[in-house]
Amino acid sequence: QVQLVQSGAEVKKPGASVKVSCKASGYTFTTYDINWVRQATGQGLEWMGWMNPNSGNTDYAQKFQGRVTMTRNISISTAYMELSGLRSEDTAVYYCARGLATDNCFDPWGQGTLVTVSS
Amino acid sequence: DIQMTQSPSSLSASVGDRVTITCRASQSISRYLNWYQQKPGKAPNLLIYAASSLQSGVASRFSGSGSGTDFTLTISSLQPEDSATYYCQQSYSTPWTFGQGTRVEVK
Repeated sequence: QVQLVQSGAEVKKPGASVKVSCKASGYTFTTYDINWVRQATGQGLEWMGWMNPNSGNTDYAQKFQGRVTMTRNISISTAYMELSGLRSEDTAVYYCARGLATDNCFDPWGQGTLVTVSS
Repeated sequence: DIQMTQSPSSLSASVGDRVTITCRASQSISRYLNWYQQKPGKAPNLLIYAASSLQSGVASRFSGSGSGTDFTLTISSLQPEDSATYYCQQSYSTPWTFGQGTRVEVK
């Protein structure tokens, strides 16, 4: 079955960077975009950007421009999201989600990765 | 950016009730509107895409309607397992944006 499996929880200090991985299985990795969405505790969903695994092209939300980098390793069907200059407000669960091109909806989602930023 | 506003923010209803959640876009988005269900501690799950298309495997009591700026998600007969938060998402133009969510409690 189609599945996205993310890396484990991270604890980082303010100013540091974090890199979260998202391994795809059950479909051809290069056929669908990978989106990243985050959710602070008790809050709503915030889209961060997408990456086309075939071309490597990206589109980042303006809020994260300059701080986020989305990459991939096609040989292992894995996408990555790196966020730099971490601050306490970046504490959240980060999700990857496959983007369905015709409707730009997200299905499925990874299980989520909790990133905690604390001194 | 396109703003998405859901109402109500929360609701409580009984098993078997018909429940309707509304989502309004700050500009016309045609039918580029998707709905997700999220249970506590879990990732969101796609319910409805393109305003009214039921995602494979989703129970038929869920339905969506609308176009332009106004959309609804309807649960025709609420079940205990429908207790969750529901989000709309516009897929008309980036940045893709979500509504603030509607928490549904089953009495």
